[in-house]
Amino acid sequence: DQQVKQNSPSLSVQEGRISILNCDYTNSMFDYFLWYKKYPAEGPTFLISISSIKDKNEDGRFTVFLNKSAKHLSLHIVPSQPGDSAVYFCAASDGYQLIWGAGTKLIIKP
Amino acid sequence: DGGITQSPKYLFRKEGQNVTLSCEQNLNHDAMYWYRQDPGQGLRLIYYSQIVNDFQKGDIAEGYSVSREKKESFPLTVTSAQKNPTAFYLCASSIASGSSYNEQFFGPGTRLTVL
Repeated sequence: DQQVKQNSPSLSVQEGRISILNCDYTNSMFDYFLWYKKYPAEGPTFLISISSIKDKNEDGRFTVFLNKSAKHLSLHIVPSQPGDSAVYFCAASDGYQLIWGAGTKLIIKP
Repeated sequence: DGGITQSPKYLFRKEGQNVTLSCEQNLNHDAMYWYRQDPGQGLRLIYYSQIVNDFQKGDIAEGYSVSREKKESFPLTVTSAQKNPTAFYLCASSIASGSSYNEQFFGPGTRLTVL
């Protein structure tokens, strides 16, 4: 049973608009959440994270929101740029290992 | 430059042969991980190691083996028992497992194709 779910396999967004990527989890023991970005044939690179004691974390164009009661987090990218086209993975930490979602492919249209 | 290296980038092997994928890190990280990625799927954990000479099975360890004789190195052997070995393999490391802060740093990956 998947503990971390990214229900949208792909998302297409106009350049300059906001991209919103969603992630749901089932295990209330997860205490740290991370977003990674991955280009084809490369390893994922860390993007932004959030602790379970917070509900928002910002880093430049990237903001992650955490709703613990709904067991839901989202990544907002604004404004979206062509270089943001990639696969985005949500991951949750149980303190020992990361549990990964299946990823969402973000396509930024010109 | 600090980082994680995986070699080779592309690897071809005949069915029934064992093959070893290399992973080296110079980040002084205690924990190392091996993941497998298949098309359209997320990363699945094969094995992880928190310290030298110790490692634990992940979700899909069957048909794989690892060793951790040095802190810097965590090679993965794909054995002939692995039914579907063709995949993209990623190695990662982190400062320590057993910590709530678990950012992992990834190598560039090895694409293994079994013919």
